[in-house]
Amino acid sequence: AQSVTQLGSHVSVSEGALVLLRCNYSSSVPPYLFWYVQYPNQGLQLLLKYTSAATLVKGINGFEAEFKKSETSFHLTKPSAHMSDAAEYFCAVSGNSGAGSYQLTFGKGTKLSVIP
Amino acid sequence: KAGVTQTPRYLIKTRGQQVTLSCSPISGHRSVSWYQQTPGQGLQFLFEYFSETQRNKGNFPGRFSGRQFSNSRSEMNVSTLELGDSALYLCASSHSTPRDSPLHFGNGTRLTVT
Repeated sequence: AQSVTQLGSHVSVSEGALVLLRCNYSSSVPPYLFWYVQYPNQGLQLLLKYTSAATLVKGINGFEAEFKKSETSFHLTKPSAHMSDAAEYFCAVSGNSGAGSYQLTFGKGTKLSVIP
Repeated sequence: KAGVTQTPRYLIKTRGQQVTLSCSPISGHRSVSWYQQTPGQGLQFLFEYFSETQRNKGNFPGRFSGRQFSNSRSEMNVSTLELGDSALYLCASSHSTPRDSPLHFGNGTRLTVT
């Protein structure tokens, strides 16, 4: 079974400041890890994914995340926040659900506010 | 390439009624998944279909069912609606596995049960 814990349901940063959103996972098999972003009244958009290649993963809109197996973490960062980054961010994990099926387990989400 | 399309965007139903939601995946995608999103429970997996077969099912009562057609389009049905079924229902599609193909989500259907 897999699980994801996102620390902080709400994070506020100033425009231009570092964005750090925390995600810790639990998985009984080597995980695939994802970060998604959701804007109001929209679905989820993939930011980046880790699938056992490079541990530092670069995504869209300047975001990146580092897979740290020893810490079971996959934190999302962006060097400089922009007003357009204000949204809700979800960390998700996928393991082997059997028969090659595809099931993501999501964290509760972190709402990012950017202060001008 | 068109994204995942869900219809309708909004639905208002009364307790006890049933509802059908529709999802058209990205062209070429054979896997379609459904998720329920609520403020209290967050995003929860309902089920996944691949080539018309249900591959996996989440922990939801039997009132929630789905199916996939030969063109990969999928429908989700909820019978005997309860107030707690009010949620955003998200459909997602992919080629095959998490390693090879991330999930692409639609904008969802917001269901309100009164």
